[in-house]
Amino acid sequence: TQLLEQSPQFLSIQEGENLTVYCNSSSVFSSLQWYRQEPGEGPVLLVTVVTGGEVKKLKRLTFQFGDARKDSSLHITAAQPGDTGLYLCAGDTSGTYKYIFGTGTRLKVLA
Amino acid sequence: DTAVSQTPKYLVTQMGNDKSIKCEQNLGHDTMYWYKQDSKKFLKIMFSYNNKELIINETVPNRFSPKSPDKAHLNLHINSLELGDSAVYFCASSPGANEQYFGPGTRLTVT
Repeated sequence: TQLLEQSPQFLSIQEGENLTVYCNSSSVFSSLQWYRQEPGEGPVLLVTVVTGGEVKKLKRLTFQFGDARKDSSLHITAAQPGDTGLYLCAGDTSGTYKYIFGTGTRLKVLA
Repeated sequence: DTAVSQTPKYLVTQMGNDKSIKCEQNLGHDTMYWYKQDSKKFLKIMFSYNNKELIINETVPNRFSPKSPDKAHLNLHINSLELGDSAVYFCASSPGANEQYFGPGTRLTVT
């Protein structure tokens, strides 16, 4: 069974701190997406990475796709309370748009 | 304008009943999905339709039957509801590659 493991599972930090969330698998992904989900809402797409080694930045968020396309990381600089939410990675191994979601990381940023 | 909408938002029903959830997207996308999110926030793909045609059918009990009357709509009918069906069901649409846009979810509670 293909699995996308995220770590840490839970993270509670103070405003202004930096953090990194990891998304790991033994499978190779043709693309990988990161989403943020807030309570009572659906996941919202943050970014998609498709090339091994690719780095994308979205304001204070930096996303990296591993060289072998089996893992990814999300780094947040100077976290703010508005970053609080459930972060999910999702990947497609076969290019058939059958997406597998990660186990999730619940982030809480305290003011 | 809401991009992906679902009705109802909440659904409380008894075991053995039959219920439907409706989804509509106004993004002009060809592909739509149903996902189930369990109490641990794990998101799992159930079905996918491309231009009204079923393309992904995961290991889902045949009590679940999706139907796509046109490419803007994807409904989910569930027969003989069981306690284990309690979850949040998300509809999503996609332009075809590397992006998914989720609806707000339907919280189904089976008592």
